[in-house]
Amino acid sequence: EPEVTQTPSHQVTQMGQEVILRCVPISNHLYFYWYRQILGQKVEFLVSFYNNEISEKSEIFDDQFSVERPDGSNFTLKIRSTKLEDSAMYFCASRLTGATNEKLFFGSGTQLSVL
Amino acid sequence: TQLLEQSPQFLSIQEGENLTVYCNSSSVFSSLQWYRQEPGEGPVLLVTVVTGGEVKKLKRLTFQFGDARKDSSLHITAAQPGDTGLYLCAGQETSYDKVIFGPGTSLSVIP
Repeated sequence: EPEVTQTPSHQVTQMGQEVILRCVPISNHLYFYWYRQILGQKVEFLVSFYNNEISEKSEIFDDQFSVERPDGSNFTLKIRSTKLEDSAMYFCASRLTGATNEKLFFGSGTQLSVL
Repeated sequence: TQLLEQSPQFLSIQEGENLTVYCNSSSVFSSLQWYRQEPGEGPVLLVTVVTGGEVKKLKRLTFQFGDARKDSSLHITAAQPGDTGLYLCAGQETSYDKVIFGPGTSLSVIP
């Protein structure tokens, strides 16, 4: 089965530093998402992206966050100035369409630790 | 605000027992999905239900979507240690909307 690939698997950074989390969605998919999961808490929606623009973003996705699809294959999440509370597992997901019965594929995540 | 609740939060049972976990909301969803998540991994889709009253079976797992499309249940028959994991329900209100997740039920099946 095709896979969503995320790199790195672990990222440790100092508070205030910029981080870029990288994702390679499934090649023919058109809808892309970032979610995060703080340890012991639920999976939270951050942002959805379609046709090279943000479709929807949550309250978590403030001005410190940005997403980009710089080429035809990568989908990145940038946090400009990390805070301690940004420590979480970040999941990228993609699917072919936005239909309600369309399967959403998740990557294995990037564990971000902000010190 | 869309919100999904799950119960119980934690469940520990003996191998061979049956169990049911529940997912509830005050919102109507076009679809509800069930995922299983292993530690350090992303959620993996088990099933999607889209029609009120729909029942789907996946081996020993039975999923039901409530008639009003506000709730769902997952029933596992004769649980095995390999069923241990975090079970997440997730919903999508309308087409092209985001998928939101419930807090999960952590299942532990003891041999």
